[in-house]
Amino acid sequence: GENVEQHPSTLSVQEGDSAVIKCTYSDSASNYFPWYKQELGKGPQLIIDIRSNVGEKKDQRIAVTLNKTAKHFSLHITETQPEDSAVYFCAASQGGKLIFGQGTELSVKP
Amino acid sequence: KAGVTQTPRYLIKTRGQQVTLSCSPISGHRSVSWYQQTPGQGLQFLFEYFSETQRNKGNFPGRFSGRQFSNSRSEMNVSTLELGDSALYLCASSFFKREEGEQYFGPGTRLTVT
Repeated sequence: GENVEQHPSTLSVQEGDSAVIKCTYSDSASNYFPWYKQELGKGPQLIIDIRSNVGEKKDQRIAVTLNKTAKHFSLHITETQPEDSAVYFCAASQGGKLIFGQGTELSVKP
Repeated sequence: KAGVTQTPRYLIKTRGQQVTLSCSPISGHRSVSWYQQTPGQGLQFLFEYFSETQRNKGNFPGRFSGRQFSNSRSEMNVSTLELGDSALYLCASSFFKREEGEQYFGPGTRLTVT
């Protein structure tokens, strides 16, 4: 079955810096890759996603890139703000079920 | 538009008991998926329902079951609770009929088994 690896597990940046989180997946049949942000006491919030027929997608300060050949995808957050502090999860969709990475705890220091 | 709602938000049960959790999807969404979140195992897929039919199932024992009603609301049941079942149970709904639709999560039900 599908396996998703996510790195790093923790990431600390200064406000205004960029943050990059990387994920790799194992099953080439996976074709949908969402990213979620989870704040304490809340459910995961979908922040951006990308499908396998697209290489890059951007939404304001957030962008995601996908390299199907290498089976990896990345989340880029520019001009980070303290409110970006949260746990971020990548996922790969296999037949409708989401297989999640282990999460990255992002801390943005003012 | 209201988001995904889950009830109850918190639950404490004793080992051996059973529990039923409820999920109401976003209006118009017909797909409901359930996930278990624990510090050790992370987010793991339990099952997915679409139009009252289980369309997908994860690798959990038969003690975990679910169903979906004609109004798309879903329930999951865990029988003979074990200490290891303590977790945050998340429900996600999706509008798309195809499998690669965006899933929107509710706040979860925090289950503690003592």
